[in-house]
Amino acid sequence: DAKTTQPPSMDCAEGRAANLPCNHSTISGNEYVYWYRQIHSQGPQYIIHGLKNNETNEMASLIITEDRKSSTLILPHATLRDTAVYYCIVRDHNFGNEKLTFGTGTRLTIIP
Amino acid sequence: ETGVTQSPTHLIKTRGQQVTLRCSSQSGHNTVSWYQQALGQGPQFIFQYYREEENGRGNFPPRFSGLQFPNYSSELNVNALELDDSALYLCASSSLRGGSTDTQYFGPGTRLTVL
Repeated sequence: DAKTTQPPSMDCAEGRAANLPCNHSTISGNEYVYWYRQIHSQGPQYIIHGLKNNETNEMASLIITEDRKSSTLILPHATLRDTAVYYCIVRDHNFGNEKLTFGTGTRLTIIP
Repeated sequence: ETGVTQSPTHLIKTRGQQVTLRCSSQSGHNTVSWYQQALGQGPQFIFQYYREEENGRGNFPPRFSGLQFPNYSSELNVNALELDDSALYLCASSSLRGGSTDTQYFGPGTRLTVL
């Protein structure tokens, strides 16, 4: 079973910041928070991941709460191409425990 | 840097047949994982291969089997196909170093239809 809870769907206006929440209240100390997205039947695309600190890359920012029980993915200036299903996943990096357990994700729709 | 590639893109088989799907890892990666994604669902972990051996399996029957080759490419074999095997099959590669694996990167998938 997935260890994360996400809203099933969200809308965001084009050009605005899209903030996607994720709850992972049972996360353990050695588990990372990963975000992937999937655009209509393509393979999932890696976005970003983090352990404790906030992270930023060219695609997005990841904000993890101090207690690590929740996080938010931020797409700073959403475009129509960001319409996709976004998956929040917690995973271990240790050998033998690396499988990704996907939930149902959040379907993000960018509105023109 | 070459990404993960999969072949074929689409495949149609009939119930009871056998199928082989192929995956080439991203350059520098030594671990391959396979996932099945039914329509409207998130991907489900099938198994992972490292050093040509299966390392971890999800809740899939033995008729799902795999191979990993010395160049780290991989095959997924499914015997005695059933209608419910119709799905998008995804391959993901990653690097295992020092007992720890990093980010998994996915290929575009193979769409299998069983009639």
